[in-house]
Amino acid sequence: KAGVTQTPRYLIKTRGQQVTLSCSPISGHRSVSWYQQTPGQGLQFLFEYFSETQRNKGNFPGRFSGRQFSNSRSEMNVSTLELGDSALYLCASADLAENTDTQYFGPGTRLTVL
Amino acid sequence: AQSVTQLGSHVSVSEGALVLLRCNYSSSVPPYLFWYVQYPNQGLQLLLKYTSAATLVKGINGFEAEFKKSETSFHLTKPSAHMSDAAEYFCAVTQRKGYSTLTFGKGTMLLVSP
Repeated sequence: KAGVTQTPRYLIKTRGQQVTLSCSPISGHRSVSWYQQTPGQGLQFLFEYFSETQRNKGNFPGRFSGRQFSNSRSEMNVSTLELGDSALYLCASADLAENTDTQYFGPGTRLTVL
Repeated sequence: AQSVTQLGSHVSVSEGALVLLRCNYSSSVPPYLFWYVQYPNQGLQLLLKYTSAATLVKGINGFEAEFKKSETSFHLTKPSAHMSDAAEYFCAVTQRKGYSTLTFGKGTMLLVSP
């Protein structure tokens, strides 16, 4: 099976703009999670979607939002970008039928905010 | 609540030497535990996982980890380091709630010298 794919791989934006990142999970996986990775804060959970519903959300401001489509593909959106939003955004998918909470990660989208 | 502590932000070994990366967890319920590896400019790759079967878990690339409940530890080892093992390693925990929310440690950078 193909792995988790994320597009685009790199993005450069300026403060105040908004951005949309896309994630396609492994075929058959219905759970998609998003994480932010920064040198200072490490890996932090953003949110998790399952069957188009957000089931869990991390401690991030409302500028960070997401959605999931009926084919399990997911997007996350960040509005009114700030310099501190520069990070590697990782998407992960899971087959919850495994019942082991195992997540498989994509290569990430590197967002730079100028 | 759950948390993960990885002792040592950097570990240096010589090629051929034993690799030991330490991970201690805190969880109010029996956890699932994971080790991931991240190479530069890439996403996270699953090395191995503990999901309450055998306490000694073997993973890819010759790595293994032992779950010790009494010590709340899940240390990662490899008998003989290879130059290609140089990367950042992350320990993570979930609370087996049936949905995927990983809590990560801060990561340990493994440096391998010839």
